[in-house]
Amino acid sequence: AQTVTQSQPEMSVQEAETVTLSCTYDTSESDYYLFWYKQPPSRQMILVIRQEAYKQQNATENRFSVNFQKAAKSFSLKISDSQLGDAAMYFCAYRGSSYTSGTYKYIFGTGTRLKVLA
Amino acid sequence: DGGITQSPKYLFRKEGQNVTLSCEQNLNHDAMYWYRQDPGQGLRLIYYSQIVNDFQKGDIAEGYSVSREKKESFPLTVTSAQKNPTAFYLCASSNPQAPGANVLTFGAGSRLTVL
Repeated sequence: AQTVTQSQPEMSVQEAETVTLSCTYDTSESDYYLFWYKQPPSRQMILVIRQEAYKQQNATENRFSVNFQKAAKSFSLKISDSQLGDAAMYFCAYRGSSYTSGTYKYIFGTGTRLKVLA
Repeated sequence: DGGITQSPKYLFRKEGQNVTLSCEQNLNHDAMYWYRQDPGQGLRLIYYSQIVNDFQKGDIAEGYSVSREKKESFPLTVTSAQKNPTAFYLCASSNPQAPGANVLTFGAGSRLTVL
């Protein structure tokens, strides 16, 4: 079974600085998708960035970028120029290619709480 | 605007009572999901469904039941058999066949507290 591990329960960063959140996963599949979701205090889950495993190029969305290391099964999120609004829980998620009963399972890590210090 | 509506936002239940959480989407998504969120445990999958009248157990289905009588609706019933139902519940949907379909869209969640 696939698993997703976020080993940092909590991280802090100074405003305007850069922080990297770690995520590792375990899978025997070769084709899959990886995601980072943000959950602010409102608890609304918001997609931050996604990566297709077949793409070697790391995904980037404005100040957010990933370091995808397929062989190492690592998928870290880098937040540049951190802002107060970035403070939230961040979840790493995996969606495999195993099409069970016509749909896919999404597996989430336990989350990293990011604090942004003014 | 399209989205997912969960209700109620907050719900209190006495021990031994069943309670149903509503999830409605107008995104025309085929797949729908229920997750439970507890502190330090991330999101755990309860049930998921691809089509009407079909659904699959997730990792923690015991004590829960669902139905999928309409494409737009996927209600979750928390039964008295669920030993520790106090949690935050998230409904999500996706469209596996559409371009960019691998993204889960979430509702705002429902907080269930057992008194």
